[in-house]
Amino acid sequence: AQSVSQHNHHVILSEAASLELGCNYSYGGTVNLFWYVQYPGQHLQLLLKYFSGDPLVKGIKGFEAEFIKSKFSFNLRKPSVQWSDTAEYFCAVNAGQAGTALIFGKGTTLSVSS
Amino acid sequence: GAVVSQHPSWVICKSGTSVKIECRSLDFQATTMFWYRQFPKQSLMLMATSNEGSKATYEQGVEKDKFLINHASLTLSTLTVTSAHPEDSSFYICSAGGAGIRYNEQFFGPGTRLTVL
Repeated sequence: AQSVSQHNHHVILSEAASLELGCNYSYGGTVNLFWYVQYPGQHLQLLLKYFSGDPLVKGIKGFEAEFIKSKFSFNLRKPSVQWSDTAEYFCAVNAGQAGTALIFGKGTTLSVSS
Repeated sequence: GAVVSQHPSWVICKSGTSVKIECRSLDFQATTMFWYRQFPKQSLMLMATSNEGSKATYEQGVEKDKFLINHASLTLSTLTVTSAHPEDSSFYICSAGGAGIRYNEQFFGPGTRLTVL
C-alpha cells in the first residue's frame, strides 16, 4: 500500500527565510506527486505536481519541488517565504493508473513571522 | 483547470438526522469521484472511491451503511451521512477525476463542514 511521510510537523520561520519541507513516499510503481496548500479556513489549492519529465517542477507562488526517485522524495522548497505563506502544506501521491485516489501525508504547518 | 463544486458548504443538523452532500464536476465528466474526511488540524483521510454507475469502494474502517455514496451520473456524486451523530462532525471534501483528465489528476471541491449537535 502507498504511504506518504512528511517529516516536519510544524515549521516556524521568519520572513525571507528559505523553506524546505520534506516528503517521502513508499510505492514501487509509477507515481504522480502533488503538493497542496490549505490556508486558514480555506479549501485545498494545488501548488504543483509532478507526472514525468524534468524532476524539478515549479508551481505557483514561487514554490518548487524536486522529485528524487532514488530517495522516494518530493521535497517542497521556496527561497524566501512571506507572511502570507502561513498555511498547512500537504504532500500527496497516487499511482500512475487512472482511478486511484490520492494518499495524503499528515501535513506540515508553516508559521511565518513578519 | 477543471472545477468541482460542493453543496452545501456548511450544514448544521440534529443528532439522528441524515444529511446529503453533493459533489459536482462543472466542466468535465468525472468517471471517478473520491470522498475524503478532514478532522481539525489533521490530514485528509480517504473514505471511499466511487465510479459512475457502480458501487463505491470504501476504505477499511468506513461504515458503508452510514456513509452512503451514490455516483449516478458523470457529473454528480452524493454522500449521505445517515443518522448523524456528533462524532460525524467533520470537513468532508470530494475530488473528481475522469478518463479525459491527464495523468490521473484530481480536482478538489471546496469542502462541506458538517456540525452535528
